[in-house]
Amino acid sequence: EADIYQTPRYLVIGTGKKITLECSQTMGHDKMYWYQQDPGMELHLIHYSYGVNSTEKGDLSSESTVSRIRTEHFPLTLESARPSHTSQYLCASTGGAKEKLFFGSGTQLSVL
Amino acid sequence: AQKITQTQPGMFVQEKEAVTLDCTYDTSDQSYGLFWYKQPSSGEMIFLIYQGSYDEQNATEGRYSLNFQKARKSANLVISASQLGDSAMYFCAMREGQWLTGGGNKLTFGTGTQLKVEL
Repeated sequence: EADIYQTPRYLVIGTGKKITLECSQTMGHDKMYWYQQDPGMELHLIHYSYGVNSTEKGDLSSESTVSRIRTEHFPLTLESARPSHTSQYLCASTGGAKEKLFFGSGTQLSVL
Repeated sequence: AQKITQTQPGMFVQEKEAVTLDCTYDTSDQSYGLFWYKQPSSGEMIFLIYQGSYDEQNATEGRYSLNFQKARKSANLVISASQLGDSAMYFCAMREGQWLTGGGNKLTFGTGTQLKVEL
């Protein structure tokens, strides 16, 4: 079983608010990822990290930012939420088992 | 050009029958990995099967097998003996390059196939 956790599971928030989506893993994985998924659509990589103090933007441009101060923690922040940010955000990590990308259960974000 | 193409938006299959979900990919890398994930309506992503580009045998995991045809650049998922619990969205994904130098498992996903298993 994957030990990667995302909170909150659901978030409904008003336009202009600052939000942070939490992602933590207890597997000691170096590589972590954030994907964005609109309903019924494919996942798009928005951020990734190779390890502490390493962050890179993914294939899909995003107004969100990430940080990686600790190996186990990879939070995603939106400084000013907008309705266009409404989506599901999935965090993932991978370690020594190259075959597997472990996913968290996701955060469904709705910006009103 | 799409890197991962899943041409079947939706599929229906009778319980206990086998079903094949299609996936074609496009890459110029010699080293790559192909994955299938299942996403039930609850939203979590469940890893099903992996095939490395240098693996000579098709991958199998229980009722799942991957029909890997390298020359055709296809990686179809075969589910044998379908069960009602198999109803979900299925995503094909690819990692380009080697795991160590390719950003680990920085995956590109297809648009998915919605599978419905009927009695």
